[in-house]
Amino acid sequence: EAEVAQSPRYKITEKSQAVAFWCDPISGHATLYWYRQILGQGPELLVQFQDESVVDDSQLPKDRFSAERLKGVDSTLKIQPAELGDSAMYLCASSLGRFRNSPLHFGNGTRLTVT
Amino acid sequence: AQRVTQPEKLLSVFKGAPVELKCNYSYSGSPELFWYVQYSRQRLQLLLRHISRESIKGFTADLNKGETSFHLKKPFAQEEDSAMYYCALRPPLGGSNYKLTFGKGTLLTVNP
Repeated sequence: EAEVAQSPRYKITEKSQAVAFWCDPISGHATLYWYRQILGQGPELLVQFQDESVVDDSQLPKDRFSAERLKGVDSTLKIQPAELGDSAMYLCASSLGRFRNSPLHFGNGTRLTVT
Repeated sequence: AQRVTQPEKLLSVFKGAPVELKCNYSYSGSPELFWYVQYSRQRLQLLLRHISRESIKGFTADLNKGETSFHLKKPFAQEEDSAMYYCALRPPLGGSNYKLTFGKGTLLTVNP
């Protein structure tokens, strides 16, 4: 069964440094999501892409976070500079399409620790 | 605004006992409701969705629009059901703010 791939699995960085996460969705999935999950909380949507376009980034802290999906396939989420409060699990998910009413498939996530 | 509330952070039952994980939602309209599960060291995965009206691994969930609830139930819990369970809501297809919103989750432990 096809899966969403994310890398790295774990990342430790010092505050004020830059960090980047990568996600490769399931082939053919037009919609890609980045979620952040703080310990003890449910996942919270950061940004949603439909193909290469951002359709929702209302919860993305745009002063330090950026996301791109240049060719409408894989995606990168960047944080610069990282802050202590950014320590969390970053989850990528994909689905068939925004207007296809399909469920989300999640990757294993990247656990970020900022020291 | 759409919101999902799971009132229990932790739920512990014995094997063979019935289990019910509570989920209440806030949304003015007819949303789609989901239950996602995360077993230890595994990725978050879909357990069931209300429009499918199916039973997965013995679990069922009924959407009660009057009480705005979508509780997850299983008559006889098994040890392998121990996991983190998340209730999630998504507006109707084509609606505004079309995104999946999660509750904070309930950690279910099934004791032998």
